[in-house]
Amino acid sequence: EAGVAQSPRYKIIEKRQSVAFWCNPISGHATLYWYQQILGQGPKLLIQFQNNGVVDDSQLPKDRFSAERLKGVDSTLKIQPAKLEDSAVYLCASSLEGRLAATTDTQYFGPGTRLTVL
Amino acid sequence: EDQVTQSPEALRLQEGESSSLNCSYTVSGLRGLFWYRQDPGKGPEFLFTLYSAGEEKEKERLKATLTKKESFLHITAPKPEDSATYLCAVHSDSSYKLIFGSGTRLLVRP
Repeated sequence: EAGVAQSPRYKIIEKRQSVAFWCNPISGHATLYWYQQILGQGPKLLIQFQNNGVVDDSQLPKDRFSAERLKGVDSTLKIQPAKLEDSAVYLCASSLEGRLAATTDTQYFGPGTRLTVL
Repeated sequence: EDQVTQSPEALRLQEGESSSLNCSYTVSGLRGLFWYRQDPGKGPEFLFTLYSAGEEKEKERLKATLTKKESFLHITAPKPEDSATYLCAVHSDSSYKLIFGSGTRLLVRP
């Protein structure tokens, strides 16, 4: 079974520039998550999609970050304009049921995109 | 507010020297506690899910246990390839999201 795919793996940009990340979840997984992981910290959820809809985006800096999941499969996360503090690894994860799970649902992570903002 | 604290931040072991990693949590109601392994430059890799106090799960040299306040990841006779960051995360009744700890960086020397 193919895992979660992400691209690009690395990106270096100047502050105030724009950047976009792409994620393809595990086939059949209804829920997709974007996390930000700053060096030395655990991942922090930015946004969670259930199929096409947003379940939680409470920690997404909406003045500069946006995300979409068209057709309930692939997703893109965009930052515009980038700030120095956005330097981090951006992880995409997917799970089978998400909020519909009776108990809890295992999230499977992609390799991440390491963003450096200069 | 849900919280997860992992200790120690870093741990150095000799090959074969067993030890334990701690994950303390405060949640309104636990739906599940997860352990992940993360290698440098890679995403977290799922290891275990624990649902209720008293539960234990094993995989090779790793054993995870759960009480009402904390979880332990026991590493028996570790090998250098066990070197990684181990992340603990909780899923509570009050939120749909996973709350992660900051991880324990484990280094096993040959």
